[in-house]
Amino acid sequence: DVKVTQSSRYLVKRTGEKVFLECVQDMDHENMFWYRQDPGLGLRLIYFSYDVKMKEKGDIPEGYSVSREKKERFSLILESASTNQTSMYLCAGGQTNSPLHFGNGTRLTVT
Amino acid sequence: DQQVKQNSPSLSVQEGRISILNCDYTNSMFDYFLWYKKYPAEGPTFLISISSIKDKNEDGRFTVFLNKSAKHLSLHIVPSQPGDSAVYFCAAISNSGYALNFGKGTSLLVTP
Repeated sequence: DVKVTQSSRYLVKRTGEKVFLECVQDMDHENMFWYRQDPGLGLRLIYFSYDVKMKEKGDIPEGYSVSREKKERFSLILESASTNQTSMYLCAGGQTNSPLHFGNGTRLTVT
Repeated sequence: DQQVKQNSPSLSVQEGRISILNCDYTNSMFDYFLWYKKYPAEGPTFLISISSIKDKNEDGRFTVFLNKSAKHLSLHIVPSQPGDSAVYFCAAISNSGYALNFGKGTSLLVTP
């Protein structure tokens, strides 16, 4: 069974902290994605990667960076967390033109 | 600019009746469409998809209809069950793209 695992379900961080959100997939898929979900705004794409060491900006990349050193792992980095980055973060993996498989999400609160 | 639109934030349906969730898109390059279902505190799960070469795809109680000329798709759930209560996201992608474009979601409540 396909699995995308996000290392934390809940995180609480302080403003200005550097935050790492980790995601691992066991599907050997080239493509991995980070979305955030906010009420009334749906899922918005932050960054994605279509290969190891490759990354592309999504719709809302400001304040974020990513790392994909290995095919199975895609990390989202908040360089200096701010309160407007409080959100549900969703990692996904998939092949091109196939359904994405999502992790269970990380609920991040920045105080 | 939102390329995938779900104009109904919420929908309430009685158990056993039909639920119809609607989705419109603006990008004529989209050729693959998907519906995802999301429960609170969980990630979205894939429900059903349709390619632009078809106008209907059915999987059990779920049917997706695609009207390319109107740039409109809909998800029908028959019969609706209380366990179907969730947020449903419509998504679309073109064959030259990597990332899904999602709508804002419709919250479905199925009442007993």
